[in-house]
Amino acid sequence: DIVMTQSPDSLTVSLGERATINCKSSQTVLHSSFNNKNYLGWYQQKPGQPPKLLISWASTRESGVPDRFSGAGSGTDFTLTISSLQAEDVAVYYCQQYLSTPRTFGQGTRVEV
Amino acid sequence: EVQLVESGGGLVQPGRSLRLSCTGSGFSFRDYTMSWFRQAPGKGLEWVGFIKSKPYGGTPEYAASVKGRFAISRDDSKSIVYLQMNSLDTEDTAVYYCSRDEYGSGTPQGDYWGQGTLVTVSS
Repeated sequence: DIVMTQSPDSLTVSLGERATINCKSSQTVLHSSFNNKNYLGWYQQKPGQPPKLLISWASTRESGVPDRFSGAGSGTDFTLTISSLQAEDVAVYYCQQYLSTPRTFGQGTRVEV
Repeated sequence: EVQLVESGGGLVQPGRSLRLSCTGSGFSFRDYTMSWFRQAPGKGLEWVGFIKSKPYGGTPEYAASVKGRFAISRDDSKSIVYLQMNSLDTEDTAVYYCSRDEYGSGTPQGDYWGQGTLVTVSS
């Protein structure tokens, strides 16, 4: 199984400041022999709600996601950056690999203001 | 508009069974591999398993934690994916979500999720 490890577990950031979350996979999630894509997604989850996909393929922002959210990285090391934290960004953020089964998630990073 | 709606959750005693359903609409259900996930109270997200679309064999795969106890099936004529849960344990208490999977479709993993259904296993 691919183990996903996020850091930090929690993060307190002032409004308007940058938040950076790291995600490391135990094996590469780059499918170099097929489409050269990183099978890595980032989700935001608020209390009582299902996860919301923010970023797919490591760096593709989903439609409707504010451009203050960005994803970067390749292979085994990835980051999610919120360039200017807004109050509505308070949530838990998860990375997930979907290169193989079982689909696995990081443990989550709680972002607070 | 794509929608996924789970149903069938509730309170069940340890050792008993429960079947969850997830009904999709607004997309070509038969073309998608469908996943089940769960989230125990206050915990992170866990993949339960998925069932591939028919062009890719229509076969299920499971997490080790549920293999042999849970079974996933689909009825493409009704746009429903099922999660049959047997021999339930208190550790299975969670909100269960269904979601579209990337497998075979090339569309983003987890682009749509249902609102979830709560399963509580308790005597």
